[in-house]
Amino acid sequence: AQSVSQHNHHVILSEAASLELGCNYSYGGTVNLFWYVQYPGQHLQLLLKYFSGDPLVKGIKGFEAEFIKSKFSFNLRKPSVQWSDTAEYFCAVQTGANNLFFGTGTRLTVIP
Amino acid sequence: KAGVTQTPRYLIKTRGQQVTLSCSPISGHRSVSWYQQTPGQGLQFLFEYFSETQRNKGNFPGRFSGRQFSNSRSEMNVSTLELGDSALYLCASSFVGRGEETQYFGPGTRLLVL
Repeated sequence: AQSVSQHNHHVILSEAASLELGCNYSYGGTVNLFWYVQYPGQHLQLLLKYFSGDPLVKGIKGFEAEFIKSKFSFNLRKPSVQWSDTAEYFCAVQTGANNLFFGTGTRLTVIP
Repeated sequence: KAGVTQTPRYLIKTRGQQVTLSCSPISGHRSVSWYQQTPGQGLQFLFEYFSETQRNKGNFPGRFSGRQFSNSRSEMNVSTLELGDSALYLCASSFVGRGEETQYFGPGTRLLVL
C-alpha cells in the first residue's frame, strides 16, 4: 500500500532561517507529487506540484521542492522563512487514480 | 473563479443520527473528492465522483456514502453516526481532461458527534 512519511512533526525556526521539510513515499510506479499548506483557520491551499519534467519545481510564496526519484523523496524548501509562513504543511502523493495519499503533516512555527 | 464551497461549515449531531454534507466544485471541474481529517488519522481519502459516478473509493465503512449531481455538485452522507466520525470533512474538486489532475480544496465542514 502507498504511504507518505513526513518525519518532521513540528519545526520551529526564526525568521530568515532556511527551511527544508522532508517527504518520502513508498510506491514503485509513476507518481504525481504535491505540497499543500494549511494556514491557521484557513483551508488547504496548493503550494506546488510535480507531474513530470524538471524535478525542481517552484511554487507560490518562494517555496520550491525537488523530486529525487531514486530516494522516493519530494522535499520542500524555502531559503528564508517569514512569520507568515507559520502553518501546517502536507505532502501528498497521487498514484494513477485521482486520489491523494497525504503525509501526517509538519507544523511550522516561525518566530519573529 | 469562485473556489470550492462547502455547506454547512459546522454541524453538531448525536450518535445514531445521520448527516448530509454538500460541496460545490469550482466551475468547470467535474471531479469531486472527499477527505476526512482528524488529529489522530490525518487526512484520509473517502471517495471520488466524476460524471455522477463513484470512480474511486477509500477504506471507509459503508455508512459513508456520496453522490454527484449533473451539475457536478456533490453530497456526502454519513449514517448511524459514531463518536469517531467527529472530524473535518474536506471536499476537493479537480479538472479532468489534461492528464494532470490537481485537487483544490474547500474550507471543510466540521462535524462534532456527541
